[in-house]
Amino acid sequence: AQKVTQAQTEISVVEKEDVTLDCVYETRDTTYYLFWYKQPPSGELVFLIRRNSFDEQNEISGRYSWNFQKSTSSFNFTITASQVVDSAVYFCALSDLYSSASKIIFGSGTRLSIRP
Amino acid sequence: EAGVAQSPRYKIIEKRQSVAFWCNPISGHATLYWYQQILGQGPKLLIQFQNNGVVDDSQLPKDRFSAERLKGVDSTLKIQPAKLEDSAVYLCASSFRGETQYFGPGTRLLVL
Repeated sequence: AQKVTQAQTEISVVEKEDVTLDCVYETRDTTYYLFWYKQPPSGELVFLIRRNSFDEQNEISGRYSWNFQKSTSSFNFTITASQVVDSAVYFCALSDLYSSASKIIFGSGTRLSIRP
Repeated sequence: EAGVAQSPRYKIIEKRQSVAFWCNPISGHATLYWYQQILGQGPKLLIQFQNNGVVDDSQLPKDRFSAERLKGVDSTLKIQPAKLEDSAVYLCASSFRGETQYFGPGTRLLVL
């Protein structure tokens, strides 16, 4: 069975600090996608990144970076020099790679609060 | 490119009443999803459509929830009759070929 665990329920840091959100997943599939979504107070889930299981290369996008380690089944998300606008709930998710009927399994989310 | 549209954004009803939500996916997206997100939890898939056919409705409480996607574009999700535990955010998402799902703003439902 597929499962996504986000052990950190809430994190609070002061603005400009770096923060890492942890994500651990379980799947029997050898090919899969991993995702991060951001849910600000407005409620909409905003897509941040998708990685496929073939590509373990870390990715950086501005202040955001992602560390995918297949050996530990982890897909962690780091925000560098955090800003108040980064305050949101962040969800890690997992789905099949090739099925057009793929289902996304979400973690329970990490609520990130950035204090000015 | 326009995103996923949903209406209404907010709805307050009393228990045992009925309610309907509407979703318009991103143009060209064949797959449409309805999720229920209870406060403090991740979204839970209720139903998935591929064009106008149902792919997965295993977690849809069919005694009270129904959904349709006529003509393979817009979709409606209905609850009849509503229960207190149906209070949640109902999210609609769409994807082109099932790889990345893009979400709408959601409908916040409060059942009193």
